[in-house]
Amino acid sequence: EPEVTQTPSHQVTQMGQEVILRCVPISNHLYFYWYRQILGQKVEFLVSFYNNEISEKSEIFDDQFSVERPDGSNFTLKIRSTKLEDSAMYFCASSEAGEAFFGQGTRLTVV
Amino acid sequence: AQRVTQPEKLLSVFKGAPVELKCNYSYSGSPELFWYVQYSRQRLQLLLRHISRESIKGFTADLNKGETSFHLKKPFAQEEDSAMYYCALMGANAGKSTFGDGTTLTVKP
Repeated sequence: EPEVTQTPSHQVTQMGQEVILRCVPISNHLYFYWYRQILGQKVEFLVSFYNNEISEKSEIFDDQFSVERPDGSNFTLKIRSTKLEDSAMYFCASSEAGEAFFGQGTRLTVV
Repeated sequence: AQRVTQPEKLLSVFKGAPVELKCNYSYSGSPELFWYVQYSRQRLQLLLRHISRESIKGFTADLNKGETSFHLKKPFAQEEDSAMYYCALMGANAGKSTFGDGTTLTVKP
């Protein structure tokens, strides 16, 4: 069964450093998403991406964040200058048009 | 604005007892509603979507537009149902999905 895969599973970075989280969505899906989940809190929407552009973003997704689909298969989330409060589990998801299929997540720890 | 409310953070039942996880939503258009489940140390998985009207693992959920609810029910809970359950609403054009805070279900033997 096809799956969304994310790498790395755990990333530790120093405050102020740039980090790129990678995702390979399911191949025939057209919609791509990033969510985050701070430890002990709810899953929060960050951004949705369709047709090579951002279709919607939340207030969390400020200028520090960017997304890219650099080739036909990868979908990346870049955080330009990480802050301690960016520490969270980041989930990538993709869909055809309906339910989202989630990756296993990348745990980002900013120290 | 989209909003999903799951009023119970924790829910504990005994094996074999009925269980209902509550979900209420707020959305101006016609929403698509989902239940996701997250078992310990695993990814979020789709459990149910309101459009399909299926029963998965014995769970059902009915969309009640009058009460703006999408409660998840199972008549006889099993220990393996212990997990975190999220109700989610997807807005128009397969855009943003809003998740509730989640309910941790514990089924005791």
